[in-house]
Amino acid sequence: DTAVSQTPKYLVTQMGNDKSIKCEQNLGHDTMYWYKQDSKKFLKIMFSYNNKELIINETVPNRFSPKSPDKAHLNLHINSLELGDSAVYFCASSQGTRKEAFFGQGTRLTVV
Amino acid sequence: AQKVTQAQTEISVVEKEDVTLDCVYETRDTTYYLFWYKQPPSGELVFLIRRNSFDEQNEISGRYSWNFQKSTSSFNFTITASQVVDSAVYFCALSEGGGTASKLTFGTGTRLQVTL
Repeated sequence: DTAVSQTPKYLVTQMGNDKSIKCEQNLGHDTMYWYKQDSKKFLKIMFSYNNKELIINETVPNRFSPKSPDKAHLNLHINSLELGDSAVYFCASSQGTRKEAFFGQGTRLTVV
Repeated sequence: AQKVTQAQTEISVVEKEDVTLDCVYETRDTTYYLFWYKQPPSGELVFLIRRNSFDEQNEISGRYSWNFQKSTSSFNFTITASQVVDSAVYFCALSEGGGTASKLTFGTGTRLQVTL
């Protein structure tokens, strides 16, 4: 009964490919996020959705496109992958004003 | 703009020692939330605590305690009688304002190494 689950956990792909990461939460939360953790462990928000509506879109290349088919799912599609996209991507969710976010286990993306 | 500073990059202690992880934040909002997360070697991010800006009471949970001081914009985390299982990277984070959505601004993390 994982609260926030991401697939896949590991993703190795070549430059130029397109890939997707899926995220699902069973906490009944109304807000979902994508965070990126770089090689130095720095965590930074990429996107946030509230009730399927995009509400936070940080400075992220257009190659990254989030999609939220419903409140429980937030997927991340990345086009034309570059070496610099290699990182750990975390999905998270929170409920309204409670603010604390619960994170998935992360997806380690390696672009070669 | 909000900012979180964790000046301690890495701390090494021997088991059973007490250790304090420092966190200093910057925000212009009067309503904000502070958090600590733990990232063990397995990589997941584990929520530890949330504090809102109107509640300066310190909190204790087992061997963990948190000291929130608005006067110094600090939210420090102390582990008493540390154990090897406490070895992890610890992140302090800040979220501003109200509304239904917010973003966490993280510090750069403090790596805690507890040895026997």
